[in-house]
Amino acid sequence: QSVLTQPPSASGTPGQRVTISCSGSTSNIGSNTVNWYQQVPGTAPKLLIFYNNQRPSGVPDRFSGSKSGTSASLAITGLQSEDEADYYCATWDDSLDGPVFGGGTDLTVL
Amino acid sequence: EVQLVESGGVVVQPGGSLRLSCAASGFNFDDHAMHWVRQVPGKGLQWLSLISWDGSRTYYADSVKGRFTISRDNTKKSLYLRMDSLRADDTGLYFCAKGGGSQSDMDVWGKGTTVTVS
Repeated sequence: QSVLTQPPSASGTPGQRVTISCSGSTSNIGSNTVNWYQQVPGTAPKLLIFYNNQRPSGVPDRFSGSKSGTSASLAITGLQSEDEADYYCATWDDSLDGPVFGGGTDLTVL
Repeated sequence: EVQLVESGGVVVQPGGSLRLSCAASGFNFDDHAMHWVRQVPGKGLQWLSLISWDGSRTYYADSVKGRFTISRDNTKKSLYLRMDSLRADDTGLYFCAKGGGSQSDMDVWGKGTTVTVS
């Protein structure tokens, strides 16, 4: 059971907008910044969003992050086939004194 | 090119020990905290340990506290994970990751090294 709760799966058609939620608590999302990672099966995770809504260089602006209270969301607009991957949210947990990950969301592009 | 390369993963018997290494290149290693993260095949990411840039502070997930030890050698640009009292549920793909601007973001990842406890 992960500290951060994500839906196990999500899907969309090419061009569509998809959102993935991440729910936590006051000890993690509520008091720390949220990061999102993309992992294409068989490859290493890649940082997609940091500081709640910042994109590293090279990440398309189709990807955006937001945070409100103890929840965060990742939005992908203009969905493309290459977006098919697992997505993980993560943040620091003050009670556990370390980073925590969500269980991951398997995104399928139909 | 910023790169992390893990090594040391093998098949080991339960109760055994192992040391993983992570060689860094392409960035100022001693400016950054470093993490170890594990992934069981078909499952999610599990953070294991964090070490500060100078090695003075270390953090561990409860599941490995007292059994795993993170360390670094900045002169060799290398990160290590000493793993003792290994259990079957320690089996997985072990990634090292470079710490970013916050305590929790990991902005560069290696490809991982596989540990099998059996």
